[in-house]
Amino acid sequence: NAGVTQTPKFQVLKTGQSMTLQCAQDMNHEYMSWYRQDPGMGLRLIHYSVGAGITDQGEVPNGYNVSRSTTEDFPLRLLSAAPSQTSVYFCASSPIVGGGYGYTFGSGTRLTVV
Amino acid sequence: QQQVKQSPQSLIVQKGGISIINCAYENTAFDYFPWYQQFPGKGPALLIAIRPDVSEKKEGRFTISFNKSAKQFSLHIMDSQPGDSATYFCAGATNSGYSTLTFGKGTMLLVSP
Repeated sequence: NAGVTQTPKFQVLKTGQSMTLQCAQDMNHEYMSWYRQDPGMGLRLIHYSVGAGITDQGEVPNGYNVSRSTTEDFPLRLLSAAPSQTSVYFCASSPIVGGGYGYTFGSGTRLTVV
Repeated sequence: QQQVKQSPQSLIVQKGGISIINCAYENTAFDYFPWYQQFPGKGPALLIAIRPDVSEKKEGRFTISFNKSAKQFSLHIMDSQPGDSATYFCAGATNSGYSTLTFGKGTMLLVSP
């Protein structure tokens, strides 16, 4: 049981480049989300999904795009990378929609934009 | 608007001591309050959680105390160990609709040997 798998673990991008952060879960969880973690800022929600084909914005969605074509996968796209997007990105999933259950987090992707 | 305020930002406790981390929330619709533990280079992991119908929940050395009227809750780590050194996040959420977890900014705990 792999849980939540994120790839890549590390990435360096040049300003203006685009890329996709991958997230996959094998627990048949309905709910998936992306957070970014910055020093002193905690975990801030970027986008989330409550099921295949359904996504919504979180607290800091600008510059990011998501889609959810399957229950298992929830990729995060950076459209045109900026230094402000240098962060550690975490994907999380939960078996039910709604906040009343624990999230399972991936191990993160550390992104540096130069 | 920060809906969950966490303090202190960092904490140093001697081995065997009690670590206390406090959180205050603003959204009175929150009815689920988890704590997450994160080790360096890892993702956060659920440690313990409480719902507002109880004032305290204990799991091993970890205890959540909850004060609904004050809109505050805290994590107590008894007999703190060096292996407890990590970043701790409190969070809140409503248990209805398309609710998401709102996290505090985290507390970096260091337990000295």
